[in-house]
Amino acid sequence: GAVVSQHPSRVICKSGTSVKIECRSLDFQATTMFWYRQFPKQSLMLMATSNEGSKATYEQGVEKDKFLINHASLTLSTLTVTSAHPEDSSFYICSAPGLLTGTDTQYFGPGTRLTVL
Amino acid sequence: EDKVVQSPLSLVVHEGDTVTLNCSYEVTNFRSLLWYKQEKKAPTFLFMLTSSGIEKKSGRLSSILDKKELFSILNITATQTGDSAIYLCAVTFTGTASKLTFGTGTRLQVTL
Repeated sequence: GAVVSQHPSRVICKSGTSVKIECRSLDFQATTMFWYRQFPKQSLMLMATSNEGSKATYEQGVEKDKFLINHASLTLSTLTVTSAHPEDSSFYICSAPGLLTGTDTQYFGPGTRLTVL
Repeated sequence: EDKVVQSPLSLVVHEGDTVTLNCSYEVTNFRSLLWYKQEKKAPTFLFMLTSSGIEKKSGRLSSILDKKELFSILNITATQTGDSAIYLCAVTFTGTASKLTFGTGTRLQVTL
């Protein structure tokens, strides 16, 4: 089946620094990818839709200058958390839509746990 | 505002019990409802439901959608400790290319 990878799986950084998280579709092309964040014991919250070759679409309440998204190729989307603060500590997961026409399934990456000290 | 609510929020059962998880939604432009299981990392796909009243089944898991009353249930029979996880439902919308809005999740713990 389709595989989505994320790198790094875990990152710890100091407050004020920027962190880049990569999401790759390994055996298929994805013109659209999605970025979610998940706080402990909570559900996934959609942050933004990453579109290859155009600007990302952000959900209400998500700061686009804080969470920079770049979809540089058909297999890679990156999320950069700029000037990270402890409240940005969370689990970040990306996904790409399923390959089959007419299906809404998505393939999720394994997630990146970000801890900001 | 679109809402997807799951109940209960958490549940502890004994191995062998049957559980029913609920997902209700109030959204505009509904297209489909999906169930996922999340253990430690990425959610894994369970079911996708688009039509009312048609049960989907996979082993001990089954699910059904009621588009009139706007809810879905996920049943797990003869639960095992390996069923312990967070169960997430999500809805998709017409015209929005697979975008998922997740429910609050149900944390299931199956004990011996």
